[in-house]
Amino acid sequence: DGGITQSPKYLFRKEGQNVTLSCEQNLNHDAMYWYRQDPGQGLRLIYYSQIVNDFQKGDIAEGYSVSREKKESFPLTVTSAQKNPTAFYLCASSIQDRPSYEQYFGPGTRLTVT
Amino acid sequence: AQSVTQPDIHITVSEGASLELRCNYSYGATPYLFWYVQSPGQGLQLLLKYFSGDTLVQGIKGFEAEFKRSQSSFNLRKPSVHWSDAAEYFCAVGAAGSARQLTFGSGTQLTVLP
Repeated sequence: DGGITQSPKYLFRKEGQNVTLSCEQNLNHDAMYWYRQDPGQGLRLIYYSQIVNDFQKGDIAEGYSVSREKKESFPLTVTSAQKNPTAFYLCASSIQDRPSYEQYFGPGTRLTVT
Repeated sequence: AQSVTQPDIHITVSEGASLELRCNYSYGATPYLFWYVQSPGQGLQLLLKYFSGDTLVQGIKGFEAEFKRSQSSFNLRKPSVHWSDAAEYFCAVGAAGSARQLTFGSGTQLTVLP
């Protein structure tokens, strides 16, 4: 079955620690995205990547970092510089050469920092 | 920059009743429009999309939406709601160009009464 996997589903960290969230897709999609979701605020774009070894900041990139060394993988690191990291994080992917470029989402990772 | 407004934060309907969720967008050119559904603690699932052609689009689970350019709207409808439709619904608009980012509304939470 093709899809997007995110692991782990729940993640707990102490304040001041960096943490990396995993996102893997076997859909052969070119583009990948990271969103943050907070109650009542919808989804906000953190970073996106349209091709391997290239990525761009989204609306709320401060305190986050990403890498795209393989087409299938787009890990997100939440650094200690992120002031309010507790949130639900969603990874998505899409095909770039299709007119309607809908995004497909993974199941999400809920990060709690105390 | 594009934007999306979902005016209703929370809607409650009885099972078997009809449903309409409102979505208004702001975008200078012809938009690409999407409706997604999210069950608690899960990722987003695409219900339907519009990018050209017939302004009434059919989606999965018996949902449909109508694109009205004059009103900058893309409202989601279902003639008879089922208890399993209880979830959060997000409208999104896509920008043209190479970035192909989606901007999401803040969501509408649907409660279905037995």
